[in-house]
Amino acid sequence: EVQLVESGGGLVQPGGSLRLSCAASGFPFSVYSMNWVRQAPGKGLEWVSYIDRRGGNIYYSDSVKGRFTISRDNAKNSLFLQMNNLRVDDTAVYYCAREDWGSYSPWGQGTMVTVSS
Amino acid sequence: QSALTQPPSASGSPGQSVTISCTGTSSDVGGYNYVSWYQHHPGKAPKLIIYEVTKRPSGVPDRFSGSKSGNTASLTVSGLQAEDEADYYCNSYAGSNNFGVFGGGTKLTVL
Repeated sequence: EVQLVESGGGLVQPGGSLRLSCAASGFPFSVYSMNWVRQAPGKGLEWVSYIDRRGGNIYYSDSVKGRFTISRDNAKNSLFLQMNNLRVDDTAVYYCAREDWGSYSPWGQGTMVTVSS
Repeated sequence: QSALTQPPSASGSPGQSVTISCTGTSSDVGGYNYVSWYQHHPGKAPKLIIYEVTKRPSGVPDRFSGSKSGNTASLTVSGLQAEDEADYYCNSYAGSNNFGVFGGGTKLTVL
């Protein structure tokens, strides 16, 4: 079964850092590009970041550029999102999603990040 | 990175059809055939239901169909069922500097 499981979310103060992880199983992880997508409370989905299968091409949304870093470890079938200088408006459920020709499938169940003092 | 425009809500009775629009620009929806649609039941993982404008992943009922005209893509749900009640989001590739832009989402209510 193709599966993505996120972890690492939690409560952090403004200006703090968190590192999210996404464990992949059931498919050849190294063959696929991956994404992070988030959903703030009561809001819609927002694409956050993309990394190609080898990590050679990386993109970020303007809202996180310079603060977040996406990376992957193909040997461990894992995707990461290092989030620094967190702001209150980064509060959201963060999903990892496999990329397949411009679409995202499957998605993980998400991990909640709350930025609050 | 402007979001694509979707109506905030849509509704229909069981058995009816409903169409949800997704309007972008020539830099996203109109410029690429990489429009996808997602069904999201709150508290669950979003699910891909349409990709590359018109294609359905395996296991998605043929009651769901997609189309595009110019800068506007559309999702049609035919033969509405109670379990179709969910939030629906469109997404389009928008070039390497504006990678994946989502619509604001449409809450579909089955009356």
